[in-house]
Order: sequence, then structure tokens, then C-alpha cells
Amino acid sequence: SYELTQPPSVSVSPGLTARITCSGDAFPKQYAYWYQQKPGQAPVLIIYNDIERPSGIPERFSGSTSGTTVTLSISGVQAEDEADYHCQSADSSGSYWVFGGGTKLTVL
Amino acid sequence: EVQLVESGGGLVQPGGSLRLSCVVSGFSFSNYWMHWVRQAPGKGLVWVSRIQSDGSSTTYADSVRGRFTISRDNAKNTLYLQMNSLRVEDTAVYFCARRWSAYSYAMDVWGQGTTVTVSS
Repeated sequence: SYELTQPPSVSVSPGLTARITCSGDAFPKQYAYWYQQKPGQAPVLIIYNDIERPSGIPERFSGSTSGTTVTLSISGVQAEDEADYHCQSADSSGSYWVFGGGTKLTVL
Repeated sequence: EVQLVESGGGLVQPGGSLRLSCVVSGFSFSNYWMHWVRQAPGKGLVWVSRIQSDGSSTTYADSVRGRFTISRDNAKNTLYLQMNSLRVEDTAVYFCARRWSAYSYAMDVWGQGTTVTVSS
């Protein structure tokens, strides 16, 4: 089964770029997906298929991939971006899904 | 409006059982795979189980296999999670979520969650 590893926390000043990594043997064979979750709320899909943004997600959110690591970048970070971010993938047969441990983004 | 509403959570003793429900509206439920995902207090998301659109195939995380059963009633637009032999470590908020499409493993719609507390 796959495991995905994220840093527990990332801090960034407003207006700068935050980068959150997610590493695992699932990549690059399988796609990565990213979710934003604010306290007391359900997760929201912000990146799918490594680099695509669902409609309604601001352009400052982007995804990239390099080898076994995928990265969520948030450019021009705003206070409202403070949240937990979770990466996710699945095996090729669609039998098993997996999440990373989540990263708490703090906007200083 | 697409909506998922979970219910059935509560306080249960170790070894007990609960059945969670997720009622959906705003989309054709029978066309979508569905998931259960949980989140222990202060922890990350953990995938629990998924069921194909017609209910013909189900899979589970190792931590719940043999104790939990996912099912669905497409006529009632309802997803279920039967949880038996509950353990303290099953304490979590349980979310139901929709698999976006046959071309993506993303979960694009989530419910607000129902809280399960396993404690004596």
C-alpha cells in the first residue's frame, strides 16, 4: 500500500509563495490531488490530476510534480489561505485511496 | 445544489456498533463511486472505504477491514457505513465523499461529517 509524506507545518508571510510537498512511491505513476480544509469544515478539492484546478479555485493555487514528490504552491499568500492542506492519491486499479498526514499552513 | 448529509454518529462503548448514513441530493447518486473518510481529533484525513456505483465492489483500509461494511441504496440516494467491534482508535469525524468521475480519483464533493466517539 502507498504512503504519502507531508511536512506537519509550513509558515509563510503574506504576499509570498508557500510550497507544500508530498512524497511517496505512488508518484509519478499515479496522480496527486490536493485539498484545503479550514477548522470545522469539510475538505475542498483545490488541485486534481497533479496540476489542474477545479473551477472556482483561485489561480494562485498551483500544483507541480518532480519524481516521487508533488508540490502545492500558493503564490501571493493571503490570510484566508491559512488552513490544513492534504495530498491524496490512489492505486492504479482504484481499489485503495491514501492521504498524506496533512500540512498546517500558517500565515505569519 | 449538490449535497451530502451524514448522520448516525454518537457515543458508543468499545466493542459496540453504529451505522452511519449519508443522504445525497442534487446529482445522480447511482452514477458515482462513493467513499468514507475519517479524521481523528487533531489529525489528518484517513481513507476508510469505497464502493462502486452499483455496489458490486467494495474496498477497505486495513485498519477497518473485517469490522466495517460499506453499502448503498441507490433507490434511496443513501450511502451507509456499518461499524462493528468499534475501538477507541475509531473515534473520529466521518465524512462521506463523492468520487469526481471515472477519469479522476479526486473526491469533489464532501459532506460536513458526523462525529463518532468510542469510549467507556
